[in-house]
Amino acid sequence: KAGVTQTPRYLIKTRGQQVTLSCSPISGHRSVSWYQQTPGQGLQFLFEYFSETQRNKGNFPGRFSGRQFSNSRSEMNVSTLELGDSALYLCASSPRSGGITDTQYFGPGTRLTVL
Amino acid sequence: AQTVTQSQPEMSVQEAETVTLSCTYDTSENNYYLFWYKQPPSRQMILVIRQEAYKQQNATENRFSVNFQKAAKSFSLKISDSQLGDTAMYFCAFHNTNAGKSTFGDGTTLTVKP
Repeated sequence: KAGVTQTPRYLIKTRGQQVTLSCSPISGHRSVSWYQQTPGQGLQFLFEYFSETQRNKGNFPGRFSGRQFSNSRSEMNVSTLELGDSALYLCASSPRSGGITDTQYFGPGTRLTVL
Repeated sequence: AQTVTQSQPEMSVQEAETVTLSCTYDTSENNYYLFWYKQPPSRQMILVIRQEAYKQQNATENRFSVNFQKAAKSFSLKISDSQLGDTAMYFCAFHNTNAGKSTFGDGTTLTVKP
């Protein structure tokens, strides 16, 4: 099976712009979670989508949003970018069978730089 | 809320030797998973090993094994016969089975020296 894929791998934006990141989970996986990784804050949970519904949300402002499509692919959007949004954004997929989340498998990440 | 603590920011080990990375966590949950992930310099996060909380037997995957002490909320990773390719940052993660999120420790940077 192909692994989790994320596009684009690298992005450079300026403050105030918005950005959309994409994640394609492993075939058959219905849960997609997003994480932000920075040197100072480590890995922080953003949100989880399952069956096109947001099931869990971390402690991030409303500028961070996401959605999931019927094929389980997910997008994450950040509006009004700030310098502090520069980070590696990781997507993880999981089968989440029976509502129970199993092992999460991570994609390679999208490196976002905000200038 | 869950917290995960990795008290060793950096460690090093000689090739072929054994090293143990420590992890403690705090939770009031009874059903959960614990994971060790490896993130090499290329940045791809790779699952190393996982442990279900309800299993008393420690998980083992080839050269990697864990020492899971549920009462003490401790979950250490032992790497035997260390190889140069084991050089990476290692993250301990707690995963609530009813939520699609993992709580990660701050990571331990492991360097395997030739």
